Amino acid sequence: QSVLTQPPSVSAAPGQKVTISCSGSSSNIGNNYVSWYQQLPGTAPKLLIYENNKRPSGIPDRFSGSQSGTSATLGITGLQTGDEADYYCGTWDSSLSAGVFGGGTKLTVL
Amino acid sequence: EVQLVESGGGLVKPGGSLRLSCAASGFTFSDYSMNWVRQAPGKGLEWVSSVSSSSDYIYYADSVKGRFTISRDNAKNSLYLQMNSLRAEDTAVYYCARGGYEPDYWGQGTLVTVSS
Repeated sequence: QSVLTQPPSVSAAPGQKVTISCSGSSSNIGNNYVSWYQQLPGTAPKLLIYENNKRPSGIPDRFSGSQSGTSATLGITGLQTGDEADYYCGTWDSSLSAGVFGGGTKLTVL
Repeated sequence: EVQLVESGGGLVKPGGSLRLSCAASGFTFSDYSMNWVRQAPGKGLEWVSSVSSSSDYIYYADSVKGRFTISRDNAKNSLYLQMNSLRAEDTAVYYCARGGYEPDYWGQGTLVTVSS
């Protein structure tokens, strides 16, 4: 059971928008930055969003992040078939003194 | 270009030991905290351990505490994970990842299989 809760799967049509939620608590999302990772099949995770809403160089602005209270959200607009992947949220948990990840969300672009 | 290359994975019997290594290049290794994160077959990401840039701060997941030891050699630009008393549930791809709370670069991983 993951400390952070994500929906197991989401789906949308090409060109549409999708959001992926990540729910935590005051000891993790509520007091620490959230990052988001994309993992394409058979590859290592790739950082998409850091510090809740910042994009590393090279990440298109179709990807966005937000945080409110003890929840965070990843948004993806203009969906492409190449966006089909597993997406993970992650942060630090101050009570556990440990890194924590969500269980992952599989995105299907129909 | 940042590169992280893990090695040392393989097949080991339950109760056995293994030492993973991560060779870093393309950045000043001694400036960054480093992490080990693992992923069991078909499962999600699990954070394993972190070490600060000068090894002052070290953290472990409860699932590996007392069995795994993280270390680094800044002179060799290398990160290590000594894994003892291995269990079947430790079977996973182990990733080395740069950074503290928000790892930004990840290696391609090394597979550890614990089986008799």
